[in-house]
Amino acid sequence: AQTVTQSQPEMSVQEAETVTLSCTYDTSESDYYLFWYKQPPSRQMILVIRQEAYKQQNATENRFSVNFQKAAKSFSLKISDSQLGDAAMYFCAYRSVEASGYALNFGKGTSLLVTP
Amino acid sequence: GAGVSQSPSNKVTEKGKDVELRCDPISGHTALYWYRQSLGQGLEFLIYFQGNSAPDKSGLPSDRFSAERTGGSVSTLTIQRTQQEDSAVYLCASSLEGGPWGPQHFGDGTRLSIL
Repeated sequence: AQTVTQSQPEMSVQEAETVTLSCTYDTSESDYYLFWYKQPPSRQMILVIRQEAYKQQNATENRFSVNFQKAAKSFSLKISDSQLGDAAMYFCAYRSVEASGYALNFGKGTSLLVTP
Repeated sequence: GAGVSQSPSNKVTEKGKDVELRCDPISGHTALYWYRQSLGQGLEFLIYFQGNSAPDKSGLPSDRFSAERTGGSVSTLTIQRTQQEDSAVYLCASSLEGGPWGPQHFGDGTRLSIL
């Protein structure tokens, strides 16, 4: 099974600043999908951004962008112009294209604190 | 409703009791997933449904756990003879199809506490 590692249990950023959350994964597959989900205290997991492994161009969604380094098996999330509403748990997830059902394989998460 | 609905929101029960957790996916979504989120453990996959069948049950931790889905819609996760280690948030997600690209839409989860 693929392992997803988020090495930063907690991160802190000031409002309007930029923060990068790290994620690495272990796989022998050549094609797969990567996701970042946000979980606020309401518990609902919200999709932030996704990346297809065969696409070299990094995905971008407004203030959120990723740095996808396939050879290094790294998938970091950059949040620009941080806002108080960005405070949440952030989970990196891997999705195989070979496994039946395509369940998400999650890291243990990074808790992001945004300070005024 | 527009989103994935889970009930109850919170459940407290005594060790040894059986519990049923319900998930109502987004209308038209054929794929349904159950995950468990334990404190400090992240989310772990439990089971996947495509329609009413469950081609992947590999994540169910023991035979005390079972799930069914009827009418291609509502799913129920049942835990028999609950143990304290079953305490967790149980999250349900659905997606339009079972493909790898389509996003999974999550409910708010059921927080299960075993006394």
